[in-house]
Amino acid sequence: SQQGEEDPQALSIQEGENATMNCSYKTSINNLQWYRQNSGRGLVHLILIRSNEREKHSGRLRVTLDTSKKSSSLLITASRAADTASYFCAPHSGGGADGLTFGKGTHLIIQP
Amino acid sequence: ETGVTQTPRHLVMGMTNKKSLKCEQHLGHNAMYWYKQSAKKPLELMFVYNFKEQTENNSVPSRFSPECPNSSHLFLHLHTLQPEDSALYLCASSQDWGRNYGYTFGSGTRLTVV
Repeated sequence: SQQGEEDPQALSIQEGENATMNCSYKTSINNLQWYRQNSGRGLVHLILIRSNEREKHSGRLRVTLDTSKKSSSLLITASRAADTASYFCAPHSGGGADGLTFGKGTHLIIQP
Repeated sequence: ETGVTQTPRHLVMGMTNKKSLKCEQHLGHNAMYWYKQSAKKPLELMFVYNFKEQTENNSVPSRFSPECPNSSHLFLHLHTLQPEDSALYLCASSQDWGRNYGYTFGSGTRLTVV
């Protein structure tokens, strides 16, 4: 699978504000997945959006996908201190048997 | 707990030691993965097992030796490691290679090589 590139690399906002992070990839995909990682822990799967979907919601998370631009965005609304973490996108292409690969992620800090 | 259990959580080993990391899942997933996460670096995919068969080995040095005796257990055998091998080692599993469902990760083993 190909690696996604997250932007920005770091983001610091006040609690209660919305956080938006972006992901770009290079070749066609079956789906794109977003993960969260708290410091020193494993990744947690947040949301999977298929190539034929344009938007998906899960609680305070909203993910969009623009296959024509090969990009996706993750919006976290009404941020909380507990949202402080690194966020990764993972484009899934081909059969997937070769495993997901991850970029450097966006490190999000929510300031109280 | 996520359903993927990694042991031990922390490991300190000398460069001449031999140790093993263990990963276990009872989620019914058929694929398992080892990742390495070093400080300031992206996650590196090391090994992929599908139905106990290794399908990917991303140019990992031979001092790392994976073993998958069945679809629920995955080991990473370590010997004669270097200090630069110190990292967080993450295990993951998936139901359908990520086609419809995401990966489930363990909490990782923090390895320090002295």
